[in-house]
Amino acid sequence: GIQVEQSPPDLILQEGANSTLRCNFSDSVNNLQWFHQNPWGQLINLFYIPSGTKQNGRLSATTVATERYSLLYISSSQTTDSGVYFCAVENTDKLIFGTGTRLQVFP
Amino acid sequence: KAGVTQTPRYLIKTRGQQVTLSCSPISGHRSVSWYQQTPGQGLQFLFEYFSETQRNKGNFPGRFSGRQFSNSRSEMNVSTLELGDSALYLCASSLEGFGTDTQYFGPGTRLTVL
Repeated sequence: GIQVEQSPPDLILQEGANSTLRCNFSDSVNNLQWFHQNPWGQLINLFYIPSGTKQNGRLSATTVATERYSLLYISSSQTTDSGVYFCAVENTDKLIFGTGTRLQVFP
Repeated sequence: KAGVTQTPRYLIKTRGQQVTLSCSPISGHRSVSWYQQTPGQGLQFLFEYFSETQRNKGNFPGRFSGRQFSNSRSEMNVSTLELGDSALYLCASSLEGFGTDTQYFGPGTRLTVL
C-alpha cells in the first residue's frame, strides 16, 4: 500500500518563527489534505491540495504530485499553532495518514 | 451549517463488553468514514459507508462493524472489547466520498477499555 512519511517528527519553535513541514508519499494519489489536530483530538482541515499552491493567512501549502511530496509552510508562528499536523493522501477508496509532525510554539 | 457530530465524546468499558458509537455527518453529505487513532498505530481507516452501503473496509477484525441509516447518520459497533481497542475513534463526512472532495472530521469519541 501507499506509504506516507512526514518530517520532522517534532518541531519546537519560538513565537514568530517560520517553519516548513514535509510530506512524502510513495505512489500516485488522487488528492492530499493537510490537517491540524488540536489538543482535544479534533482534526481541523487546513488545505485540500492535490497539486499546486494554496495560501490561507499565515499558512500555505504546495503539492508537487509528479515528485510525490507536499510542503506546509507556517509563517510568524503563534502559540495557538501548537498541535500535531497530519498530511493524508487519498486513493480511490480510503484516506491514508502520515505519522504527523508535533509542533510546539513557545512564547 | 453544523459540523460533524459524534456521540458520546467519552466512554469507559470493560473487556468483553460491546460498544456503539454514533456519527452525524454534515447535512447533505452522503459518505461517512471511520478511523481509529492510537499512539502506536496512528490514524487508521476502518470503513466507509455511502448511501447505506459499506463501500470500503480497512484491515480490522470482524469485531468492528458499522452501518449507515437513510439520513446518512452512521453507527460503529465493536464487540467483545479488548484492551487494545482503547483509542480515539474519529468519523469524517464528505459529499461523495474519497477522491472527490474534502473530508470533514468530527470531534471524536475517546474509548477506554479496562
